[in-house]
Amino acid sequence: QKEVEQDPGPLSVPEGAIVSLNCTYSNSAFQYFMWYRQYSRKGPELLMYTYSSGNKEDGRFTAQVDKSSKYISLFIRDSQPSDSATYLCAMSAIRIGAQKLVFGQGTRLTINP
Amino acid sequence: NAGVTQTPKFRVLKTGQSMTLLCAQDMNHEYMYWYRQDPGMGLRLIHYSVGEGTTAKGEVPDGYNVSRLKKQNFLLGLESAAPSQTSVYFCATQSRRISNQPQHFGDGTRLSIL
Repeated sequence: QKEVEQDPGPLSVPEGAIVSLNCTYSNSAFQYFMWYRQYSRKGPELLMYTYSSGNKEDGRFTAQVDKSSKYISLFIRDSQPSDSATYLCAMSAIRIGAQKLVFGQGTRLTINP
Repeated sequence: NAGVTQTPKFRVLKTGQSMTLLCAQDMNHEYMYWYRQDPGMGLRLIHYSVGEGTTAKGEVPDGYNVSRLKKQNFLLGLESAAPSQTSVYFCATQSRRISNQPQHFGDGTRLSIL
């Protein structure tokens, strides 16, 4: 079993919809949680970064962490065609020092105009 | 992505050939990483470096070697390429001096081994 599981999709929704992306993990040592967005033929870019349970909001994006259930989510409100990309969750057990990130498989998302 | 440059962007090799992938950064970051990305597998860490002259193994190091002779460069080598090494390779950098800083990725090198 992989340490981090993510539904690969693909996920296709109409413009303006609320999108929910999820990851589950098995390693209770993970304490840093990230969401990266990756456009086609580009490198991942960081969207959200949190190290505690609860919600963190940044514009149309909300990251949610539930450590008791080992479950993290990313919500996108008022989705736009420009949000079409692959979304990767990533986790680390290390707070200080080199972060050996463990990634989910990535979910390919398409927002249809 | 600004600051992290990967060379080459695309390469086709024959089984058994060798090559070196170059990652160059201009952000003065201490930490550098090499990942590979395969369909259905996400990104997996190959090797990383915490500073000039130091390297360490990641999750999938077999078949690869790395060197960090200069702070700004991190090289990934394939001594004898195998079809299983067909992948997209990403380099990332991270600052040691600032806490909670993310890893910054390059745009990748697409490598095909025939």
